[in-house]
Order: sequence, then structure tokens, then C-alpha cells
Amino acid sequence: AQSVTQLDSQVPVFEEAPVELRCNYSSSVSVYLFWYVQYPNQGLQLLLKYLSGSTLVESINGFEAEFNKSQTSFHLRKPSVHISDTAEYFCAVSDSGNKLTFGGGTRVLVKP
Amino acid sequence: DTGVSQDPRHKITKRGQNVTFRCDPISEHNRLYWYRQTLGQGPEFLTYFQNEAQLEKSRLLSDRFSAERPKGSFSTLEIQRTEQGDSAMYLCASSLIGQANTEAFFGQGTRLTVV
Repeated sequence: AQSVTQLDSQVPVFEEAPVELRCNYSSSVSVYLFWYVQYPNQGLQLLLKYLSGSTLVESINGFEAEFNKSQTSFHLRKPSVHISDTAEYFCAVSDSGNKLTFGGGTRVLVKP
Repeated sequence: DTGVSQDPRHKITKRGQNVTFRCDPISEHNRLYWYRQTLGQGPEFLTYFQNEAQLEKSRLLSDRFSAERPKGSFSTLEIQRTEQGDSAMYLCASSLIGQANTEAFFGQGTRLTVV
């Protein structure tokens, strides 16, 4: 069985400050890792994913995440947030079967 | 827009009534998933189809829940005798199997409120 723990349920941050969202997972098999973002009253959008290869993955809007196998973590970071980054962020894992197991989410509130 | 579409977006129903939701996946996608998301929680897997075959059901999917994908295209999720605990956002997603863990695309969800 797989599980995902997002250590922070809410993260307030000032605009242009850095942010880190923590994600730890457990699995008995090799996993693929994802970060999804959900804006209010919207579905989930894929932010970035780790399948294999380089452990540092980046998104087109400045987010990055690093896969750390020894610490079973996949933390998400952005060096400078914008008001538009206010949303809920979900970390998820999947085995080769594509079914996703999600964490409880981290709500990011960017303050001006 | 050819993304995943769900209908209706919102549904309010009285306890004990039956409800049915529809999901239209991206046309070439052969896998379709249903998830449930309650307030303040992450989505939880309910079931998935590969083409028309239902391959896995979560233990969350009680006997009151049934899902179909009759022709391998759209899918329906029916909840019979709704209870207040069924109030949640029901999310549908689709993906194309055959490639190593391709992205699952999500619809905007159907928000169910049972009163």
C-alpha cells in the first residue's frame, strides 16, 4: 500500500518570498511522483512529475521539486511566489498502474 | 476545448434520492478514473476503467455506488439512496495507457450536496 503525507496543511507566505511545501511518501514498490495544483472551484492540474532520471524536476511557472529516495520525499519549492500562486497543492504517488494516491493537500495563501 | 468534461458541475439532492454523474474523457484516452474529494482532504480513488472494463474498485465504493463505461467512451457514476456523508466533489480523470505513467487529466468535478 502507498501513502502520502503533506506535513503542512496551510502555508501563508508574502509575495516574492520563497516557499517550500513538504511531501513524504511510503511505498513498497518503485513509485512515480506528482504535484498537482487546484485553484478554487477547479479540477486538478498537473504541476510537475518525476518518473525517472534527474531527481530535480521543474515546471514552466517556476516551481521545482526534488526526489529524494533515501528520505522518501518530494518537496516542492518556488524561490519567489506571486499572488496567482494562491491555491491548494497536492502531492501524489503512483505505481505503474496510474492510480494516484494523494496527500491531504497544502493550502498556500500568498499575501501582498 | 477537448479536455475532460463532467456534468453536472453542481448537484443538490435530498437524502435518499438517487443521483447520476457523467464524465466525458479526452477522446483517445482509454483509462478513466473516478475520485472523491471531501472538504479539506485530498482526492481518494474510487474506481477505474480501461476501455469498458472496470478493473479496480476501492473499498470506499459501497454497494450504493455503481460506475459504468458502456462503450469505452463516457462514464457514469450513480449513487443510490444518497446519504449526507456522500456530500463531496466527485472528480473524473483520464489517461492513455501504453506510455510510462502519462499524465492523468482531471475534469472540473461535480460537487454533490446532500441535504
